[in-house]
Amino acid sequence: KAGVTQTPRYLIKTRGQQVTLSCSPISGHRSVSWYQQTPGQGLQFLFEYFSETQRNKGNFPGRFSGRQFSNSRSEMNVSTLELGDSALYLCASSPRGGDGYTFGSGTRLTVV
Amino acid sequence: GENVEQHPSTLSVQEGDSAVIKCTYSDSASNYFPWYKQELGKRPQLIIDIRSNVGEKKDQRIAVTLNKTAKHFSLHITETQPEDSAVYFCAASMGRGNKLVFGAGTILRVKS
Repeated sequence: KAGVTQTPRYLIKTRGQQVTLSCSPISGHRSVSWYQQTPGQGLQFLFEYFSETQRNKGNFPGRFSGRQFSNSRSEMNVSTLELGDSALYLCASSPRGGDGYTFGSGTRLTVV
Repeated sequence: GENVEQHPSTLSVQEGDSAVIKCTYSDSASNYFPWYKQELGKRPQLIIDIRSNVGEKKDQRIAVTLNKTAKHFSLHITETQPEDSAVYFCAASMGRGNKLVFGAGTILRVKS
């Protein structure tokens, strides 16, 4: 079966712009989580969605937001981009959340 | 706070030797502990996980042990091979179980 699909794979944006990243979970998985991975901070939790509801949120500013659609696909948005937002953004899906998380290949965002 | 400490940060072993990576978590309510392997430029892949009602779990050359009282868990890799070289991350479920808090990662190098 298909894995977790993230698009686009690479993005270059200018400071101040906004960006939307997409994640399609494994078929049947209803929980989608987002993580930011940087060399300095490692893997940091952004938020988790289940059945279109945000169940948990990490310690990121309000510029980071997300949503989940009825088909479980999720999007993440970052507004007013800063240089420090450059990172690999990973999404992970799970049947119900709580365990069994499978990661996608990520979107590499570069802010210039 | 919610954190997971992971040691060592780098580990070099000879092919055929064993490797042990240790993690300590802060939240006594954590009940799920996965380990991920991430090769350069690739997504994190789940290699083994354990729930808090189990003390040990083994899968071929890989095993994980959990000490709930001390709040620490360890990954053991026996008969290491060059293809085991990667970054290994431990994680613990926190925040009502719907998010994973990751350790900082261990770079494992297996020398042939």
